[in-house]
Amino acid sequence: QVQLVQSGTEVKKPGASVKVSCKASGDTFTGYDINWVRQAPGQGLEWMGWITPKSGYTGYAQWIQGRVTMTWDTSTSTAYMELSSLRSDDTAVYYCARFPNDYNNLGLFDYWGQGTLVTVSS
Amino acid sequence: QSVLTQPPSASGTPGQRVTISCSGGSFNIGSNTVNWYQQLPGTAPKLLIYGNSHRPSGVPDRFSGSKSGTSASLAISGLQSEDETDYFCAAWDASLNALLFGTGTKVTVL
Repeated sequence: QVQLVQSGTEVKKPGASVKVSCKASGDTFTGYDINWVRQAPGQGLEWMGWITPKSGYTGYAQWIQGRVTMTWDTSTSTAYMELSSLRSDDTAVYYCARFPNDYNNLGLFDYWGQGTLVTVSS
Repeated sequence: QSVLTQPPSASGTPGQRVTISCSGGSFNIGSNTVNWYQQLPGTAPKLLIYGNSHRPSGVPDRFSGSKSGTSASLAISGLQSEDETDYFCAAWDASLNALLFGTGTKVTVL
């Protein structure tokens, strides 16, 4: 079955960068997009952007543009989300999620990774 | 508007019907479909309703969704103890070119 398995907990200092991975299995993923969503402790969900594995095309939320880079490694079927210039308010659980390219239902994420906690602290 | 508005909490006794609202605007809920997610503590969100009112396979039929104008609703009929958790709506915003999530509603089973 489809699985998205993310990398482990990260602790970073302010100003550093973090790269979170999301390994996909159980499907070719060439017909889907991978989205990234984060959730600060005790807070709601915040959409960050997406990548289309087939083309490498990306789209980022305006509030994170310039600090985030999403990539896809075809050889390992792994998506990456790199966030730079980390601040304390970037402390959150970061999720990857699959969008099945149902363009009548944008925001439909049918499979999610287990989440990766990124803590930014000096 | 950068988020969709939900009531922070909702509650009911076992067996009751609980409704959660999700309020947006013309560029998001007014022009795109709404999806709902259930999030159990410490776990990733789970797709509950897509396309305003459709249930993925495996979701009990006591969960239902609807949309009217710039608002959407999630209803839980026959409330059960395991329904006590957080619920989020989501809709694409054509003006912001971004996905918006609702502020989230915590359902309590009394």
